[in-house]
Amino acid sequence: DAKTTQPTSMDCAEGRAANLPCNHSTISGNEYVYWYRQIHSQGPQYIIHGLKNNETNEMASLIITEDRKSSTLILPHATLRDTAVYYCIVRVFTGGGNKLTFGTGTQLKVEL
Amino acid sequence: DAGVIQSPRHEVTEMGQEVTLRCKPISGHNSLFWYRQTMMRGLELLIYFNNNVPIDDSGMPEDRFSAKMPNASFSTLKIQPSEPRDSAVYFCASSLIFSGEGGETQYFGPGTRLLVL
Repeated sequence: DAKTTQPTSMDCAEGRAANLPCNHSTISGNEYVYWYRQIHSQGPQYIIHGLKNNETNEMASLIITEDRKSSTLILPHATLRDTAVYYCIVRVFTGGGNKLTFGTGTQLKVEL
Repeated sequence: DAGVIQSPRHEVTEMGQEVTLRCKPISGHNSLFWYRQTMMRGLELLIYFNNNVPIDDSGMPEDRFSAKMPNASFSTLKIQPSEPRDSAVYFCASSLIFSGEGGETQYFGPGTRLLVL
């Protein structure tokens, strides 16, 4: 699976949009981009995933560049409860029971 | 659904003792994953099962670790004998094998915090 690079930490004011970048310059055509987050002392939580089109769900939006070498997770109106470590993961979908390889992620701190 | 259930939530034991961690996946899910998280190594996959069959155990650190999945609703991770370096948070996750776009989402349990003295 392709390697990802994320900033170590970011700050965001409550109510503002949080934009978390991820570089995956070696991504292959059949690899998906996944985002998970881990709130302190809890298990990781799935947020969103995509292949090449932008995606949106009730939690966030995922913007993937046209060359697919980078992506941005957007939390449109960050709250204090969004403070967490955010993991960008790139992996091939091989048909079932696919393992995730977590990097170090980005520690997002949402402040008043 | 209650989500992935892990027990115990906390375990403190002495070096050399046997430790057994338990996981009940979400009903209907057919993939189960065991992860370990430490400050030094982050979150790493130990082993995963598809339809109760171990698929990849390359992350299991050594022979002291073993995992079983006797049926679709229960799995155990055993450490025997335990050592202080095994102290970590152990997460279990489950998913439903899905052939659609992007594959399946993994749902994580709350974790078991293990301290080996």
